[in-house]
Amino acid sequence: QQQVKQSPQSLIVQKGGISIINCAYENTAFDYFPWYQQFPGKGPALLIAIRPDVSEKKEGRFTISFNKSAKQFSLHIMDSQPGDSATYFCAASKEWSGAGSYQLTFGKGTKLSVIP
Amino acid sequence: GAGVSQSPSNKVTEKGKDVELRCDPISGHTALYWYRQSLGQGLEFLIYFQGNSAPDKSGLPSDRFSAERTGGSVSTLTIQRTQQEDSAVYLCASSFSLQQPQHFGDGTRLSIL
Repeated sequence: QQQVKQSPQSLIVQKGGISIINCAYENTAFDYFPWYQQFPGKGPALLIAIRPDVSEKKEGRFTISFNKSAKQFSLHIMDSQPGDSATYFCAASKEWSGAGSYQLTFGKGTKLSVIP
Repeated sequence: GAGVSQSPSNKVTEKGKDVELRCDPISGHTALYWYRQSLGQGLEFLIYFQGNSAPDKSGLPSDRFSAERTGGSVSTLTIQRTQQEDSAVYLCASSFSLQQPQHFGDGTRLSIL
């Protein structure tokens, strides 16, 4: 059972445009939602994260929107640049003591290509 | 360096051999995590440590997989009697404590011939 569903699988955006990646989760116990950026041959790098007590978080050109009732969250990259071309992963975890705690459950990833 | 360090970066071995993968976390980080990244399965959790103890081993795919952490720092992931389906990138992450963001190393790419 895939607990975090991510879409689209791939995305092509013009330089300066907005990139939008969506994720949906099933487990209502999840309470921490990070996004990671991964370049080829490198490990995932934490980009931005959100907790369910807020509906939006912005850091520079990156914004997470969170909809708790719909169990969905999304990453918006404003003014996308060729250097943003990478694979993006959403993830979720629950942070309490018990089975399955603290481990990140990842979406399948979105390969973003920003063309000049 | 200040980041999570993993070695070797690449490992090629024959089916049936044992392999040991090493992870050196960020200094001061008490929590350490192992994940596996493969084309078919994506990023999968394997095991985490808080200090030297591993409260949750549920992600280890079989009893051929084991991990240990000594001195609250370096961790090794051991795969015995490797199989071709073990081919993947094994990623290690660490965090200051269990409720803090996880920071990943660049992984060990394991290829089983």
